[in-house]
Amino acid sequence: KQEVTQIPAALSVPEGENLVLNCSFTDSAIYNLQWFRQDPGKGLTSLLLIQSSQREQTSGRLNASLDKSSGRSTLYIAASQPGDSATYLCAVSGAGSYQLTFGKGTKLSVIP
Amino acid sequence: EPEVTQTPSHQVTQMGQEVILRCVPISNHLYFYWYRQILGQKVEFLVSFYNNEISEKSEIFDDQFSVERPDGSNFTLKIRSTKLEDSAMYFCASSEKLANYGYTFGSGTRLTVV
Repeated sequence: KQEVTQIPAALSVPEGENLVLNCSFTDSAIYNLQWFRQDPGKGLTSLLLIQSSQREQTSGRLNASLDKSSGRSTLYIAASQPGDSATYLCAVSGAGSYQLTFGKGTKLSVIP
Repeated sequence: EPEVTQTPSHQVTQMGQEVILRCVPISNHLYFYWYRQILGQKVEFLVSFYNNEISEKSEIFDDQFSVERPDGSNFTLKIRSTKLEDSAMYFCASSEKLANYGYTFGSGTRLTVV
């Protein structure tokens, strides 16, 4: 059974810092990995989708990498802003499966 | 940008009552999903739906749960007899193709069972 772990559980940084969020998964037979943002009491906003054949994806200040063989992904946020404060979730889908398996998330606080 | 719309945003119901959570997926999407998130816990898969039938479901999705696409636009989740432990945020999602191509989630319905 796929398990997804995210470290750290919470992170507080001053505005302007670059930071890295980590995600690991136990079964490397994934089809893709997706990073989401969740604001308190809100839905999930997709940030980046990496197919299993890809190594990284970039969108603005965000860069996500995938090392499928080692079961790891990182989300890099450059020049953090207070508006980046949210919980960041990592989720993987298995080959031929319809479902996403989520990590518990990293709660990020960016201090002005 | 197209959105997945969920109603209501918050529902309070008494234990044992039936509830129906509603979702309008993105119009050209073919795959529909329900997930739930109990407060402080992970987002968990409940069910996927394609071509008017359930394609995959989790252990959570027992006989108390059902899904339906009653018309060309709505997608519903019914809980027949709610329990206290059904209190959670329920998310609807849709995708154009299989999960391989990424999901779009709705903003969720917070269900509180009292």
